[in-house]
Amino acid sequence: AQSVTQLDSQVPVFEEAPVELRCNYSSSVSVYLFWYVQYPNQGLQLLLKYLSGSTLVKGINGFEAEFNKSQTSFHLRKPSVHISDTAEYFCAVRGTGGFKTIFGAGTRLFVKA
Amino acid sequence: NAGVTQTPKFQVLKTGQSMTLQCAQDMNHEYMSWYRQDPGMGLRLIHYSVGAGITDQGEVPNGYNVSRSTTEDFPLRLLSAAPSQTSVYFCASSYGGSGANVLTFGAGSRLTVL
Repeated sequence: AQSVTQLDSQVPVFEEAPVELRCNYSSSVSVYLFWYVQYPNQGLQLLLKYLSGSTLVKGINGFEAEFNKSQTSFHLRKPSVHISDTAEYFCAVRGTGGFKTIFGAGTRLFVKA
Repeated sequence: NAGVTQTPKFQVLKTGQSMTLQCAQDMNHEYMSWYRQDPGMGLRLIHYSVGAGITDQGEVPNGYNVSRSTTEDFPLRLLSAAPSQTSVYFCASSYGGSGANVLTFGAGSRLTVL
């Protein structure tokens, strides 16, 4: 079984500042890792994913995430945020041999002018 | 290309009533799933299906029923609604065969049980 812990429920940040959203996971098997974003009153869409290979993964809208196997973490970063990045961000894990995707509780990013 | 379509978008029920949330996808995805989203709890998996005729329970299956008679459709049934089932429900699908496949989500169905 897998589980995901997102360490911050809310992250307020000023526009053009850097941001890091933290995610730790637990699993007894190899996993794939994902970050999804949910804009207000919408469904979720993929931001980026880690499948294998390079531990630094780049996604849409200037976001990137780093997979750290020893620390079982997959933190999301952006060097300079915009007002339009205000949304809820979900870290998710899926076993490499399975189908069930397990989500964390979400981190609400609020970008202030 | 419609993607994943959920109906209805909003629904209000009284305790004890039954209803079905509909989910349809036109991408020939083998895998389909239902999640509920509650504040502070993220998305929790209710039921999922890896193909027509095959369903399985997720993290929070109690009070919900599913079936998968076709590849395209995956309805979620509430047999006797309870206030604890007030939530936003999302249907999501992906290609089968690999855990690497990304989920495509519907727009959600907001359910209120009085």
